[in-house]
Order: sequence, then structure tokens, then C-alpha cells
Amino acid sequence: DTAVSQTPKYLVTQMGNDKSIKCEQNLGHDTMYWYKQDSKKFLKIMFSYNNKELIINETVPNRFSPKSPDKAHLNLHINSLELGDSAVYFCASSQGASGLSPLHFGNGTRLTVT
Amino acid sequence: DQQVKQNSPSLSVQEGRISILNCDYTNSMFDYFLWYKKYPAEGPTFLISISSIKDKNEDGRFTVFLNKSAKHLSLHIVPSQPGDSAVYFCAASGETSGSRLTFGEGTQLTVNP
Repeated sequence: DTAVSQTPKYLVTQMGNDKSIKCEQNLGHDTMYWYKQDSKKFLKIMFSYNNKELIINETVPNRFSPKSPDKAHLNLHINSLELGDSAVYFCASSQGASGLSPLHFGNGTRLTVT
Repeated sequence: DQQVKQNSPSLSVQEGRISILNCDYTNSMFDYFLWYKKYPAEGPTFLISISSIKDKNEDGRFTVFLNKSAKHLSLHIVPSQPGDSAVYFCAASGETSGSRLTFGEGTQLTVNP
């Protein structure tokens, strides 16, 4: 009964490919996020959706496209993968978008681009 | 421009002693602070938070202290246990940032038996 689950856990692919990461939460939360943890271990927000509406879109290449089919799902599609996209991507959810409700994170997807 | 900084990449403590993890921030608009704990191959999990209207919040063995004038917060764990060994992230948000959390780079805590 994992609260926030993301698949796959590991993803190894070549430059130029297109790949997707899926995320689902069963907490009943209305806000979902994608965070990126780079090689320096910083966790940085990429996108946030509240009730399926995009509310945060950080300076991210437009090769990254999030999609939220419903409140419980937030997928991340990446086109034309580059070496610099290698990182761990974390999905998260919270109740409300005020920043006062703690985030619940998935276990991450380690993306390696060769 | 890193607005939340954890200057100690690692900390090693003996079991039963106190662990003190520090965090500094530069953005005076931050008014809510959180600590997350992360084990290898897992996502961060929420530990404790504090609002800027308080200077201390306690939850069992964990206490967070906030010094707004110094823009500094710390997490105290006492007594420390081997199971506390993990990476601890400090995070902050503010009214103008909404749900956008800014994280520090983390401190690896090792509690030795």
C-alpha cells in the first residue's frame, strides 16, 4: 500500500531517446510534484500540479513535459534525452498547494543517459 | 544562488549522544521550515517543521530551533540512535513561493553504536 509510487525505479537509455516516468499517489492529495536531484544532491522542483492544473513550471527545458490525467497521477515525459538529464527524479504529493503541508515523496527514478 | 545551505556535508555521532544539524537561509521571505530524512534508495520523508512565529518545535526525540534574526535553524536529535543514520535535508517555503520548497544540499548523519 505504497503512498506515492513511481515507475520505473531505474531507467538506462541512450541520448536522443524519449522516455516516460509514471507516478501515482493513493493519499487523496490534490497537489503533485516532480523534483530533480542532481549529482550535487540538490533537490530542485521542476513542476507542480494542483487539481490537474499546472501551478509551478520552473526553468526546465521544454523537452520535459508533465501530464496529469487525474489528481492521483502525474507523469513525466522527456524527449530527446541528453547526458545532463541523468539524475534521480522524485515524484511527491501534498494536500493543498500552500507549502504548509508536508510533501510525501516516492522512492525516486534513477535515470542514466548514455 | 543557494538560498538554503547546510554547510556540513556529514556528521558522525555516538549512539546516545546529541546530534545537531544546522541550516542557514538567506531569503527573509521564508516563513516555514521543514526537515526531511532520507535513507538510500528511498524518497525523503517528512520529519518535523516549524513556522516562523515559533522559535522551537519538539516531537519526541526531535527538536527544531529557529533563530530568525540569524536566519538559522537547527535540528537536535537526542538521544541519537543508529537508525537515525540518514541524509537530513532542510527545506523552506514562504508566502510568495507557495508550495515551492527550497531544499538544502543535505547532511549525512552517521550514528555509531
